[in-house]
Amino acid sequence: NAGVTQTPKFQVLKTGQSMTLQCAQDMNHEYMSWYRQDPGMGLRLIHYSVGAGITDQGEVPNGYNVSRSTTEDFPLRLLSAAPSQTSVYFCASSYSMAGPTGELFFGEGSRLTVL
Amino acid sequence: GQQLNQSPQSMFIQEGEDVSMNCTSSSIFNTWLWYKQDPGEGPVLLIALYKAGELTSNGRLTAQFGITRKDSFLNISASIPSDVGIYFCAGQSWSGGSEKLVFGKGMKLTVNP
Repeated sequence: NAGVTQTPKFQVLKTGQSMTLQCAQDMNHEYMSWYRQDPGMGLRLIHYSVGAGITDQGEVPNGYNVSRSTTEDFPLRLLSAAPSQTSVYFCASSYSMAGPTGELFFGEGSRLTVL
Repeated sequence: GQQLNQSPQSMFIQEGEDVSMNCTSSSIFNTWLWYKQDPGEGPVLLIALYKAGELTSNGRLTAQFGITRKDSFLNISASIPSDVGIYFCAGQSWSGGSEKLVFGKGMKLTVNP
């Protein structure tokens, strides 16, 4: 009963490095999304997808890329990491193609530090 | 864009006390949701409210969907140490052909045994 699985849980990068945060869900959910959580800022939507092959920008998309080649996976790519991207990242999924209808299921988070 | 004002931002209470928190907005929402985030974990849904005026309980938790559809509150009665964490409200609305979800900034709860 895995739900939403994120890897890695912790990562330290140097400015300018690239990396991919992985997210996989085994609930056959159509909707998947990435949030970042910063102190005092709550949860801010980075990118989302309403189904395989479909992605769109959220509130804070700059510096991040996503793709959705399968229903299960929704990786988040940082092309050139900056200290401002130091944050905790959460992947979340929901069953509806129309968006985050009903309950969002969150992963455990990936804590990223950019030096 | 739509914004939620969640208050208070943090609370320090003694075990056994009740706690209340609320969310307000200038926008109307179709659904109000309350999530809890345990330390080091992702948020988990506590209560979902789907109708204006709806009052819903889940154990020691009680939440209400405001009549104006612009606010919601969450009460926790007889707090226990495991209630510590961050509580988020979220409002959901239909916009531009899809559902939109907006989160409040969270309320950090500390419970002293």
